[in-house]
Amino acid sequence: AQSVTQPDIHITVSEGASLELRCNYSYGATPYLFWYVQSPGQGLQLLLKYFSGDTLVQGIKGFEAEFKRSQSSFNLRKPSVHWSDAAEYFCAVALYNNNDMRFGAGTRLTVKP
Amino acid sequence: GAGVSQSPSNKVTEKGKDVELRCDPISGHTALYWYRQSLGQGLEFLIYFQGNSAPDKSGLPSDRFSAERTGGSVSTLTIQRTQQEDSAVYLCASSLLAGVSYNEQFFGPGTRLTVL
Repeated sequence: AQSVTQPDIHITVSEGASLELRCNYSYGATPYLFWYVQSPGQGLQLLLKYFSGDTLVQGIKGFEAEFKRSQSSFNLRKPSVHWSDAAEYFCAVALYNNNDMRFGAGTRLTVKP
Repeated sequence: GAGVSQSPSNKVTEKGKDVELRCDPISGHTALYWYRQSLGQGLEFLIYFQGNSAPDKSGLPSDRFSAERTGGSVSTLTIQRTQQEDSAVYLCASSLLAGVSYNEQFFGPGTRLTVL
């Protein structure tokens, strides 16, 4: 069955530390891949997306993600976390187009001072 | 407007009552999407509109849920005879087009529905 998995429900990191949020997918083909961020009381904002080409994708707010076909993963990274990065992060995949975009359960990030 | 807006931002209702949730998409966006975000469940796709028609209603959880879109703009999600399990945040998104490769979806802030 097609699925998107974010193994970590909640992660806590110290401000200034590096961050990696995991995302794995199970699809018959390589889907389009996305990361969204949701701050409290806000809608979702697109951080970055992968369609094809370079497997290391740069996004907004200093985030990047790497697509690894062999691992069916698309992990989100940031070298140095800021307190304002505290939010919920969602990985999403779409096989063909907008209509079939499916989301993972989300990872809540807490940033310690 | 500048972004997708949703109203109300919060709705508390009693079990068995009907509720209507409204979404105003970004002007000029022809595609509109509804999602449900339950605690710990991620986002669950409900329905999408291309113009005023809804080609895919497969995500609606039951026949108590319905949605319409008029004038290619505002959409209303209606839940009849609400149940406690309907409690969730309902998110709306819009994009320029749907079904023609990828167009970024822009999300509204959501409506938090609580069914007592």
